[in-house]
Amino acid sequence: GENVEQHPSTLSVQEGDSAVIKCTYSDSASNYFPWYKQELGKGPQLIIDIRSNVGEKKDQRIAVTLNKTAKHFSLHITETQPEDSAVYFCAASKRGSSNTGKLIFGQGTTLQVKP
Amino acid sequence: SAVISQKPSRDICQRGTSLTIQCQVDSQVTMMFWYRQQPGQSLTLIATANQGSEATYESGFVIDKFPISRPNLTFSTLTVSNMSPEDSSIYLCSVAPGQAETQYFGPGTRLLVL
Repeated sequence: GENVEQHPSTLSVQEGDSAVIKCTYSDSASNYFPWYKQELGKGPQLIIDIRSNVGEKKDQRIAVTLNKTAKHFSLHITETQPEDSAVYFCAASKRGSSNTGKLIFGQGTTLQVKP
Repeated sequence: SAVISQKPSRDICQRGTSLTIQCQVDSQVTMMFWYRQQPGQSLTLIATANQGSEATYESGFVIDKFPISRPNLTFSTLTVSNMSPEDSSIYLCSVAPGQAETQYFGPGTRLLVL
């Protein structure tokens, strides 16, 4: 079945630096890749997503890149701030005629931004 | 997006008992899902809650242990039956409005089984 690998498991950066989290997926039919941010005691919050017909998407300080050939996608956060500290999850799914919308999640990355 | 609420937000239960978790959405949605997040772990899909029919369970999850109801397009319940300490987890519902694949999550129910 589909598998999503996420690295690193923990990431510590200084405020103002950039952070990059990488994911690889196994099912070449996957065509939707969301990223979620989960703060302590809260549910996951969708922060950005990308579909397989697009190579890059940006929203202010957050960007996601997708390499379909290599089956990997990455989250880039620039100018990090202490409030970016959280656990980040990547996920993958495939949308088809009989798709139920099942998301396969990576293992998560704990990002710590030091003031 | 959608506004999703879950009840209870947390609970401490005794082994052998059952707990029913409610998920309420502020708009009608086609797809609702239930996930489990074990301590310090990622999210695993338990089942898809289908309105008007039985839920579709993922491998490793069975209806007897996790019965699900979906009486309408804005509400669903997940019951964790005959609980053991291994059931201590965060249980999350999510929704996918319209026919889009984007899922939005509720705040979660934090369950501790003693």
